[in-house]
Amino acid sequence: DIQMTQSPSSLSASVGDRVTITCRASQGISNYLAWYQQKPGKVPKLLIYAASTLQSGVPSRFSGSGSGTDFTLTISSLQPEDVATYYCQKYNSASSTFGPGTKVDIK
Amino acid sequence: EVQLVESGGGLVKPGGSLRLSCAASGFTFSSYSMNWVRQAPGKGLEWVSSISSSSSYIYYADSVKGRFTISRDNAKNSLYLQMNSLRAEDTAVYYCARGGGYCSGGSCYSAYWGQGTLVTVSS
Repeated sequence: DIQMTQSPSSLSASVGDRVTITCRASQGISNYLAWYQQKPGKVPKLLIYAASTLQSGVPSRFSGSGSGTDFTLTISSLQPEDVATYYCQKYNSASSTFGPGTKVDIK
Repeated sequence: EVQLVESGGGLVKPGGSLRLSCAASGFTFSSYSMNWVRQAPGKGLEWVSSISSSSSYIYYADSVKGRFTISRDNAKNSLYLQMNSLRAEDTAVYYCARGGGYCSGGSCYSAYWGQGTLVTVSS
């Protein structure tokens, strides 16, 4: 099975900072990669699919890139409402594994 | 507006069974893959199972294979998860989620999520 890893596991940044989260697949998955945001006590929300396509209604400060095995989620200017845990998920085959998550908070 | 409403969660003893349902509305149910995703208390998201729009593709996580069965009734706009031989480690909030438009076979990301239903497996 393809394994998904994320780094860092947590980060603390200041409002306005550029934040980058990395997701790595143990084998190539083309661009079948999604990113989700889960705020504390809330339902997960889709941010990006197909590695770089922004879901409708998601602020443009969020962006995704990558293909194959290495992917990134970037928040161009961190806002207080972005405090959340972020998960990547691959969906290229019979197993749609999530990464372990990256917790983002404000410094 | 897309709505997904899960039901059927509750307290069950180890070895017991439970059937979760998900009522869908606000979209053409028969056109989309559907997923079940769970989250144990204080833990991350875990994909459980997926079913394609016409039930041609069905997938399970290794952790539930042979114990859980996903199904759908397109005439009733409903998704189901039959859970047998439940274990303590199956304790989680179970989310029903609708697939998006860019999928790989029967595998799809989750574009819309329900509020979840809590399953607790304990004696």
